Amino acid sequence: DIRMTQSPASLSASLGETVNIECLASEDIYSDLAWYQQKPGKSPQLLIYNANSLQNGVPSRFSGSGSGTQYSLKINSLQSEDVATYFCQQYNNYPYTFGAGTKLELK
Amino acid sequence: EVKLVESGGGLVQPGRSLKLSCAASGFSFNDYWMGWVRQAPGKGLEWIGEINQDSSTINYTPSLKDKFTISRDNAQNTLYLQMSKLGSEDTAIYYCASLNYYSYYFDYWGQGVMVTVSS
Repeated sequence: DIRMTQSPASLSASLGETVNIECLASEDIYSDLAWYQQKPGKSPQLLIYNANSLQNGVPSRFSGSGSGTQYSLKINSLQSEDVATYFCQQYNNYPYTFGAGTKLELK
Repeated sequence: EVKLVESGGGLVQPGRSLKLSCAASGFSFNDYWMGWVRQAPGKGLEWIGEINQDSSTINYTPSLKDKFTISRDNAQNTLYLQMSKLGSEDTAIYYCASLNYYSYYFDYWGQGVMVTVSS
């Protein structure tokens, strides 16, 4: 199975700050990577697919980048509604696997 | 509007079986791959598996392949997850989700249904 290592596990940031979350795959996943946001008590929602494509309706302060085994999610100008847990997922090789998540809180 | 509504969860004794349903609406269900993901309390997401449009291809995570069966009824716009030999490790919220038409990521998720395995 492809292992997805997310870092950091938790993160505290201030409003307006820029936040970066990393996801490292145990082998090349050829940009077959999605990012999801899960707010407390809610189901996950798609933010980014194909490593850097923004899902319709997602604010432009979210962006994704990376290739090969290294990927990142960037949130510019952090808003209060961005408090959530973020998960990466590879869909290059079965079984598709998720990172353990990054819990983002406000400082 | 795409809507996915899971049902069938609840409290079940260890070793028993349970079948979850996911009612889909707002899109052409029979044109899309569908899948299941679970999340144990306070934990991360686990990909269970997926099924293609005509049920000819079903993929599972290997550790669950002998316990779980994914199926669908396109006439009823419904996805199913049959779970057998349940143990405490299967206690989780179970989500159904639709896969993107052109790829294998999940673009819409249901609200989830809780399954608790306990005596």
